[in-house]
Amino acid sequence: DVQLLESGGGLVQPGGSLRLSCAASGFSFSSYAMSWVRQAPGKGLEWVSGISGNGIGTYYADSVKGRFTMSRDNSKNTLYQQMNSLRAEDTAIYYCAKGDHSGSPPYYFDVWGQGILVTVSS
Amino acid sequence: DIQLTQSPSTLSASVGDRVTITCRASQTVSRWLAWYQQKPGQAPELLIYQTSTLISGVPSRFSGTGSGTEFTLTISSLQPEDFATYYCQNYNGFSGTFGQGTKVHIQ
Repeated sequence: DVQLLESGGGLVQPGGSLRLSCAASGFSFSSYAMSWVRQAPGKGLEWVSGISGNGIGTYYADSVKGRFTMSRDNSKNTLYQQMNSLRAEDTAIYYCAKGDHSGSPPYYFDVWGQGILVTVSS
Repeated sequence: DIQLTQSPSTLSASVGDRVTITCRASQTVSRWLAWYQQKPGQAPELLIYQTSTLISGVPSRFSGTGSGTEFTLTISSLQPEDFATYYCQNYNGFSGTFGQGTKVHIQ
């Protein structure tokens, strides 16, 4: 089965840092771009970041540019997102999502993880 | 960025009803539009991409049409498992923006 499993969420103070991970299985991980999509409580979906299949290209929404960094380890089939200088408005469920191709955005997402909650609060 | 506006925001319907959700784009997205279904407490699931291509396993009561700036998702006969929130997404612009969602709930 194709599966994405996020980990690393939790409660962090404003200005703090957190690292999310997403373990992938059931597909050729390096052949596809991956993204993080977030959903604030009771709100809609927002694309946050993306990374090409080979890991060379990274792409960010303006709302997180300069604060979030995506990376991937194709030998471990794992995606990461380092989140620094976190703000209250970053509070959301973060979904790891598989893109429909290997290159640069835009993507649609045909596989999603179950999501991980990040809460930024003092 | 391309803005997507869904209508209605909420919809009350009964089992067996025909339901139509509209997604309007602020500029043309050609046919680069996808639809997702999200049930409470669950991740979104892709239903349709490229306006009208159903994902394998999605029931044929779901269909998508449109082009340019106006798109529709139709459920021909609403089933109990279809009560959920539906999102459109354009993948013509860099950030692949989503609509604000349409919640379909039981009348």
